[in-house]
Amino acid sequence: SQELEQSPQSLIVQEGKNLTINCTSSKTLYGLYWYKQKYGEGLIFLMMLQKGGEEKSHEKITAKLDEKKQQSSLHITASQPSHAGIYLCGADGTGGGADGLTFGKGTHLIIQP
Amino acid sequence: NAGVTQTPKFQVLKTGQSMTLQCAQDMNHEYMSWYRQDPGMGLRLIHYSVGAGITDQGEVPNGYNVSRSTTEDFPLRLLSAAPSQTSVYFCASSYSGTGIYGYTFGSGTRLTVV
Repeated sequence: SQELEQSPQSLIVQEGKNLTINCTSSKTLYGLYWYKQKYGEGLIFLMMLQKGGEEKSHEKITAKLDEKKQQSSLHITASQPSHAGIYLCGADGTGGGADGLTFGKGTHLIIQP
Repeated sequence: NAGVTQTPKFQVLKTGQSMTLQCAQDMNHEYMSWYRQDPGMGLRLIHYSVGAGITDQGEVPNGYNVSRSTTEDFPLRLLSAAPSQTSVYFCASSYSGTGIYGYTFGSGTRLTVV
């Protein structure tokens, strides 16, 4: 079965600073999804990566999938209080959406003013 | 569009009681899945379905039953609740090639078993 390891487990960053969260898979990634979750709430889809070397951006958040397709990174530029929450990476076996997601344990992000 | 609707939002059960967590989607998505979220564990897949009448087990299926008689609904049944099933449960729907929008998640059901 596929396992996803996220690092760091938690992160405290001063407002305005940049940060990176990593997600490493035990197997080749065919579909890698990034979600954000505010405490006590549901999951908000950020972006999905499929191709090795692919990079996507949404506002100040950029995600990349490495060429070997076993690691993804999420980079936030000029962090804001609205970025605080839990960031989760998830993968499905085929990238086709059918067989559910395996998730990492999440990265708790705190933004200090 | 309501998206994925889960009911109830909160539930307290006594050990041994049974209940059904409801999940409905109005996006005509083929695929649906159930997860539980526990502190420090992330989300873990319980069961998933690729279409009406077709279900399969995920990582943590024990103690849970599912069925899918329609495209829209995917209920999760706890036949005899145990304290270990205290968790937050999320339902999600998706479709073939779900790249742009990802899996769509419901807002969750917070279940406490005492």
